[in-house]
Amino acid sequence: AQTVTQSQPEMSVQEAETVTLSCTYDTSESDYYLFWYKQPPSRQMILVIRQEAYKQQNATENRFSVNFQKAAKSFSLKISDSQLGDAAMYFCAYNAYSGAGSYQLTFGKGTKLSVIP
Amino acid sequence: ETGVTQSPTHLIKTRGQQVTLRCSSQSGHNTVSWYQQALGQGPQFIFQYYREEENGRGNFPPRFSGLQFPNYSSELNVNALELDDSALYLCASSPRHPAGETQYFGPGTRLLVL
Repeated sequence: AQTVTQSQPEMSVQEAETVTLSCTYDTSESDYYLFWYKQPPSRQMILVIRQEAYKQQNATENRFSVNFQKAAKSFSLKISDSQLGDAAMYFCAYNAYSGAGSYQLTFGKGTKLSVIP
Repeated sequence: ETGVTQSPTHLIKTRGQQVTLRCSSQSGHNTVSWYQQALGQGPQFIFQYYREEENGRGNFPPRFSGLQFPNYSSELNVNALELDDSALYLCASSPRHPAGETQYFGPGTRLLVL
């Protein structure tokens, strides 16, 4: 079974600084997708960034970028120029064909990010 | 473009009762997945629907069931509610099947079982 591990239950960052959230995953698949989702206290799960496993180039989305290390099964999220609105729970998620005709997302337990003014 | 919507936003039930949660998928999306998120945890996959049929299920008992309608909207039904069913229930839709690409989430339904 696929597992996703986020080893940092909580992180904090000073406003305008950079922070990196860690994620590792375990899989025997070669074709899969990785995501970072953000869940503010309003609880709506919002997509931050995604990475296709077959792409070697790391995904970037404005202030958000990932460091995807396929061999190490590592997928970290870097947030640059942190803003107060970045404060939220961040979930790393893995998506692959389940063999039962569906793709299912497997989530980590999350990292709570606080942004200090 | 309308995003994923869910109703109701909050619900309180007692143990043993039955509940139905509803989800309208994002425009143009034909696949719907349901997740259960217990407090302080990441979401857990319940099942996925495509073409009105269940298409993949996580480790949830049969008292968790669902439907998908021709307009791609979906329902999650839970029978014989237990205290541990208290959670946030998230619906996510995807633009195509199989849903290897991004799943877009609704705001969730908070269920409390007393």
